Amino acid sequence: AQTVTQSQPEMSVQEAETVTLSCTYDTSESDYYLFWYKQPPSRQMILVIRQEAYKQQNATENRFSVNFQKAAKSFSLKISDSQLGDAAMYFCAYRTRDDKIIFGKGTRLHILP
Amino acid sequence: GAVVSQHPSWVICKSGTSVKIECRSLDFQATTMFWYRQFPKQSLMLMATSNEGSKATYEQGVEKDKFLINHASLTLSTLTVTSAHPEDSSFYICSAPIGTPETYEQYFGPGTRLTVT
Repeated sequence: AQTVTQSQPEMSVQEAETVTLSCTYDTSESDYYLFWYKQPPSRQMILVIRQEAYKQQNATENRFSVNFQKAAKSFSLKISDSQLGDAAMYFCAYRTRDDKIIFGKGTRLHILP
Repeated sequence: GAVVSQHPSWVICKSGTSVKIECRSLDFQATTMFWYRQFPKQSLMLMATSNEGSKATYEQGVEKDKFLINHASLTLSTLTVTSAHPEDSSFYICSAPIGTPETYEQYFGPGTRLTVT
């Protein structure tokens, strides 16, 4: 079975600085999707970034980018120029072949003004 | 973009009663929807897969007789918590997948907070 591990329960970063959230996963599949979701206090899940495993290139979305290391099964999220609105819970997630999303335990990100 | 709605957003019920939560895909059809449960300060745990026109499939450890799922149309799935108890109090979230392999995404509803007294 697939597992997703986030080893940082909480992190803090100064506004305008850069922060990296870690995620590792375990799977026997060769093709899959990985995601980072943001859950603000409203609890609405928001997709931050998506990575297809067959793509070598790391995904980027504006200030958000990932470091995808397939062999190491590592999928970290880098947030550049952190903003107060980035404060939220961040979940790393894996999509299984039957479309199920398996979530990590999450990392709560605090932005310090 | 695609939107998934849930109703109600918050419900309080008495122990022993049943409560129904609706999940709707507003501008797309969803043959499959997923139901998650989230306890305070915890992650989302997949409860079941809702399949339009057929029985739902439940994750290990989820009581299918307690959490009844009905996917009666391509835009509506319902979760009924039967004989609710205080330990069923939680945040319930549904999701629906959409898109091509290039644009694949799961859209999440805003969630339903269930409080059982």
